[in-house]
Amino acid sequence: EPEVTQTPSHQVTQMGQEVILRCVPISNHLYFYWYRQILGQKVEFLVSFYNNEISEKSEIFDDQFSVERPDGSNFTLKIRSTKLEDSAMYFCASKTSGPGYNEQFFGPGTRLTVL
Amino acid sequence: AQSVTQLGSHVSVSEGALVLLRCNYSSSVPPYLFWYVQYPNQGLQLLLKYTSAATLVKGINGFEAEFKKSETSFHLTKPSAHMSDAAEYFCAVSSTQGNLIFGKGTKLSVKP
Repeated sequence: EPEVTQTPSHQVTQMGQEVILRCVPISNHLYFYWYRQILGQKVEFLVSFYNNEISEKSEIFDDQFSVERPDGSNFTLKIRSTKLEDSAMYFCASKTSGPGYNEQFFGPGTRLTVL
Repeated sequence: AQSVTQLGSHVSVSEGALVLLRCNYSSSVPPYLFWYVQYPNQGLQLLLKYTSAATLVKGINGFEAEFKKSETSFHLTKPSAHMSDAAEYFCAVSSTQGNLIFGKGTKLSVKP
């Protein structure tokens, strides 16, 4: 069964460093998402991506964040200069098409720890 | 704007007992609602979804949920809990842009 994969499963970094979180969405999916979950809090939407550009982003997704689909399979989230408050679980998701009733398929997440 | 509230951050039931996890939504448009489950160290897996076809929705692993517009609720139930149901459960509503808005989650514990 096809699934969304994410690497690494756990990333530890120093404050101020750049990190890149990687995701491989399901191959025939066209819409891609990043969410994050700070420990003990709700899962929050960061950004959606379609047709090689950002379609929506939340207030959390400021200039420190960027997303890219560098090739036909990977979807990356970059944090330019990490802050302590960026420590969270980051989930990638994908779906076949845009309508809101379509299921999003989630990856297992990357736990980011900023020291 | 859409939002979701899950009552009870932690629910504990005995094996074989009824599971009831509560979710209330707020939406200015007819909502699309979802329940996801997260097992330890795994991603979010869809249990079931409401897309306006039927108010009682059946999902995987014996779970079902009933959409009640008058109560703005979409509670998740299972008649008989199993040890393997222990996990965290998230209710979510689809925004008008298509991204998901999640509740805070409810951790379900099942006692033998």
